[in-house]
Amino acid sequence: GAVVSQHPSRVICKSGTSVKIECRSLDFQATTMFWYRQFPKQSLMLMATSNEGSKATYEQGVEKDKFLINHASLTLSTLTVTSAHPEDSSFYICSAVTSGSGDTQYFGPGTRLTVL
Amino acid sequence: DAKTTQPPSMDCAEGRAANLPCNHSTISGNEYVYWYRQIHSQGPQYIIHGLKNNETNEMASLIITEDRKSSTLILPHATLRDTAVYYCIVRVGGGNQGGKLIFGQGTELSVKP
Repeated sequence: GAVVSQHPSRVICKSGTSVKIECRSLDFQATTMFWYRQFPKQSLMLMATSNEGSKATYEQGVEKDKFLINHASLTLSTLTVTSAHPEDSSFYICSAVTSGSGDTQYFGPGTRLTVL
Repeated sequence: DAKTTQPPSMDCAEGRAANLPCNHSTISGNEYVYWYRQIHSQGPQYIIHGLKNNETNEMASLIITEDRKSSTLILPHATLRDTAVYYCIVRVGGGNQGGKLIFGQGTELSVKP
């Protein structure tokens, strides 16, 4: 149980284009999902908290107009990187909270974004 | 949320117990201790969490000191597949929305044959 998937696992795009990453909770409903970013040799950095049916809460320094988050259902949240640039190349990871297990966060496998 | 301090790296022989320490001297009474690990290029994997009692599951044991200022994650029989970065995180628990996790640098555990 408590499986979180992400799609795609890898994406390469040209500078200036937009990329959408999906995060799904496969066997549970998640009222809250989180989005993280990880650069090489660094730890995970929280980008935003996504609650189903409401606007996401962004961490300080994260541009909400660049990283669009939608959490339209209890099993799906999406992160769209708009007008991507090479400095947005990173490992993007989502997590989802299961209320049935003491609100433990379970993580997806991550999406490797490369912007050329 | 309280901050944690972990050694940057540790080695462990295959088959032996791996004991990973974590200091969280400013932990509050309502903060839980969570442990996750991240194998290279994968998402973090939940291991275990606790409030004040020692906890054990199929993956590991968590020993929390009586004053809750430190804890130790124990992998009883480390294998090569346990090589990963281990993160100790404290956060407020409870409720059904979950508190955010703030990741530090973790401990890079290398299990050697």
